[in-house]
Parts: sequence; C-alpha cells; structure tokens
Amino acid sequence: DIQMTQSPSSMSASLGDRVTITCRASQDIGNYLSWFQQKPGKSPRRMIYGATNLAAGVPSRFSGSRSGSDYSLTISSLESEDMAIYYCLQSIQYPRTFGGGTKLELK
Amino acid sequence: EVQLVETGGGLVQPGRSLKLSCVASGFTFNNYWMSWTRQAPGKGLEWVASITNSGGSTYYPDSVKGRFTISRDNAQNTLYLQMNSLRSEDTATYYCTRDYYSYWGQGVMVTVSS
Repeated sequence: DIQMTQSPSSMSASLGDRVTITCRASQDIGNYLSWFQQKPGKSPRRMIYGATNLAAGVPSRFSGSRSGSDYSLTISSLESEDMAIYYCLQSIQYPRTFGGGTKLELK
Repeated sequence: EVQLVETGGGLVQPGRSLKLSCVASGFTFNNYWMSWTRQAPGKGLEWVASITNSGGSTYYPDSVKGRFTISRDNAQNTLYLQMNSLRSEDTATYYCTRDYYSYWGQGVMVTVSS
C-alpha cells in the first residue's frame, strides 16, 4: 500500500500568513494527488486535484505543487475561513490512501 | 446542482448488518465511478469501497473486504453499501462520493455497539 505522510499534523498561523502543508508519498504516484478541506461538522471539500489543479469555486489563494515525491498545498494569504483540517489523497492505485491530516488554527 | 444524499445509518450491534443508500441527482449517474469513504469520530478519512460506472468492478481495502459490498442501481440513481459482520471499529460517518471525490454527501452515522 502507498503511505501518505502528511506534515505538520497541526499548525497555527496568523491572518495574512503564507501557509504550506506537505504530503510525501512512499511510492511514485505521478500527479494523482488531491487536497481536501474539512471544517467542523462538515463534509470534506476537494480543493486541488491532479496535484496542481484548482477545483471549481476554490479561491485563487490556494495552490498545489509537486517536487519529486513531495506534494504541497499552499495558502498564499491566510484568511479566517481557511481554518480547517486539510487532507491529501493518492488515487493512482488501490487501496486509496489519505494523509493523516493537518489541523490549521489561528494564532 | 450535484446532490448526494445518504440514508440508512444508525445504531447496530456487533456482528449484525446494515445497508446504506446514497441517492444521486444533478448529473448523469451512470457515467461516473462512485465510492464510499468513512471517518471515525475525531479521526481521519478512510477509503471504504469504489465501483465502476457500470457496476462491473468493485474495489475494497483489506479492512472491509469480504464484509462490505458496494453496488449500484443506475436506473434508480442509487449507490449502496451492504455492511455485514459489523465491528466496533466500523463506527464512523460514511460519505458517498463521486469520481475522484469531486462531490461528497452530507454523511450518515453508523454506530456499532452492544
């Protein structure tokens, strides 16, 4: 199975900060990587697909990138509505595997 | 507007069965693969099952293989998850998702407890 190691598990940041969350894949997953945002009591929402593609309706301050087996989600200027838990997911092979999640809180 | 509405959750004893349903609307259901994903209370996300658009192929992780069965009725725009031999570790909110997790339902809670 492909392991997705997500870091950090939690972080706090200030409004306007640039924030980066990373997932490392244990095997080659190409660009089959998605990022999800989940707010308390809500269903997850897809933010990024194909490692770098912004999902419909997602603000442009969100972006995805890849460097080798490391995949990053970046928020260019943090807003209060971005406080949530973020998950990555590989979809190149079964079983699908999620990262452990990153809880983003306001400093 | 794409909508996925799950039903069928509840409290069930260990070893018993439960069947979840997900009614889809707002898109051509038989064009899309569908999946179930779950989330135990306070925990992360776990993929549970996927099915091709025709229903001809299904996929499961080892944690549910042989106990859970995903199926679909394309005429009724409905996705199912039959869960047998339930265990306490199956307690979770179960989400119905469309291909590549582009859309998620609101989730349905399943509690396995005596």
